[in-house]
Amino acid sequence: DTAVSQTPKYLVTQMGNDKSIKCEQNLGHDTMYWYKQDSKKFLKIMFSYNNKELIINETVPNRFSPKSPDKAHLNLHINSLELGDSAVYFCASRSMISYEQYFGPGTRLTVT
Amino acid sequence: AQTVTQSQPEMSVQEAETVTLSCTYDTSENNYYLFWYKQPPSRQMILVIRQEAYKQQNATENRFSVNFQKAAKSFSLKISDSQLGDTAMYFCAFMIYTGANSKLTFGKGITLSVRP
Repeated sequence: DTAVSQTPKYLVTQMGNDKSIKCEQNLGHDTMYWYKQDSKKFLKIMFSYNNKELIINETVPNRFSPKSPDKAHLNLHINSLELGDSAVYFCASRSMISYEQYFGPGTRLTVT
Repeated sequence: AQTVTQSQPEMSVQEAETVTLSCTYDTSENNYYLFWYKQPPSRQMILVIRQEAYKQQNATENRFSVNFQKAAKSFSLKISDSQLGDTAMYFCAFMIYTGANSKLTFGKGITLSVRP
């Protein structure tokens, strides 16, 4: 039973398009994250949500808009995709009383 | 701001040998957590080991152990009896636990190759 799942796993799209990545966790965790892993494999946090409330927004372009319909889901919508958005996007979740984060399998986004 | 430095971009080790991966960090905080994550070619991020800064004893998980030197701000990972399945990227990560604001700061990673 997958703890943190993401859809789709692969996404190929053209510049200028709008796309969404979905994340779901069945761990009962309160906090969810989006991380971006660039072409050099560097991982950096983008956003975090706690109980549907935005907590961390790390100076990400406003073309990126996270949305949390409930505490088990955190989606990432990207408008007007650019070549530089090509990366692997990871969702993660954590319990409020724990420091350990559980990662999803990642979504490889390729913008052509 | 916290920073995590992994200065070795890649390492290679013979199967069954021992290898140590280096990591240093910079923070003015006293209470924090350190992690090593493994990312195999499948790209799944797997937690290998964690260390609470307030604990003096070094963490150990089977073949994986850390050498945590708080004063030197050093957190190295030792892999004993290396196996082919250990081939992966390894990321050192740091977190200050501040409740909902907690976030992981990663190093640039090191590519480890285990030779048969």
